Amino acid sequence: EVQLEQSRAEVKKPGESLTISCKGSGYRFTNYWIGWVRQMPGKGLEWMGIIHPGHSETRYRPSFQGQVTISADKSINTAYLQWSSLKASDTAIYYCARHLTTSSWSPFAYWGQGTLLTVSS
Amino acid sequence: EIVLAQSPGTLSLSPGERATLSCRASQSVSSSHVAWYQQKPGQAPRLLIYGASSRATDIPDRFSGSGSGTDFTLTISRLEPEDFAMYYCQQYVSSTGTFGQGTKVEIK
Repeated sequence: EVQLEQSRAEVKKPGESLTISCKGSGYRFTNYWIGWVRQMPGKGLEWMGIIHPGHSETRYRPSFQGQVTISADKSINTAYLQWSSLKASDTAIYYCARHLTTSSWSPFAYWGQGTLLTVSS
Repeated sequence: EIVLAQSPGTLSLSPGERATLSCRASQSVSSSHVAWYQQKPGQAPRLLIYGASSRATDIPDRFSGSGSGTDFTLTISRLEPEDFAMYYCQQYVSSTGTFGQGTKVEIK
């Protein structure tokens, strides 16, 4: 069974750094692209970027380029989303999701439970 | 960036009625690369339809998708109580995927 287990909720202050994680199991981690999706309070879904853990190719939506870093450690089947300096506007639920097939041109079929990030002074 | 516009924003219907949700793309999208998701409060999204018309695993056949070019449709033939939720379309043909802003299907 494919599962994506995300790290717990976080409460941080503006300017702090943070890395949240997404651990995949039940499939060959290095074969499938993993993406990150943001959902701000009461709002819709926003595609942030994706990574291929096998060769670390990464693609970002332009509005997120330079704002976050997506990475993966294939030795422990885990993908990451990182901020170097958080802002209050980063407050949101962040989902990781795995593509349906090994192609990046496939939908997100498997989703983590989401990580709630609250950034407040 | 391909922009997806969903309509209506909210659909108020009764159980047993038919729901028709629209998703319009800012440029032509291959029908092979359009998906629909359902999201209930407090839950992660769930894939319903991909390739514009293929149902994902365990999705009931009352859900169907259609469309081509710039216009795509999700139809729920007879609404069940558990179908009242948010629905999002997505394109995944470009190097960066995008979602529509969502349609809420609420109980009338």
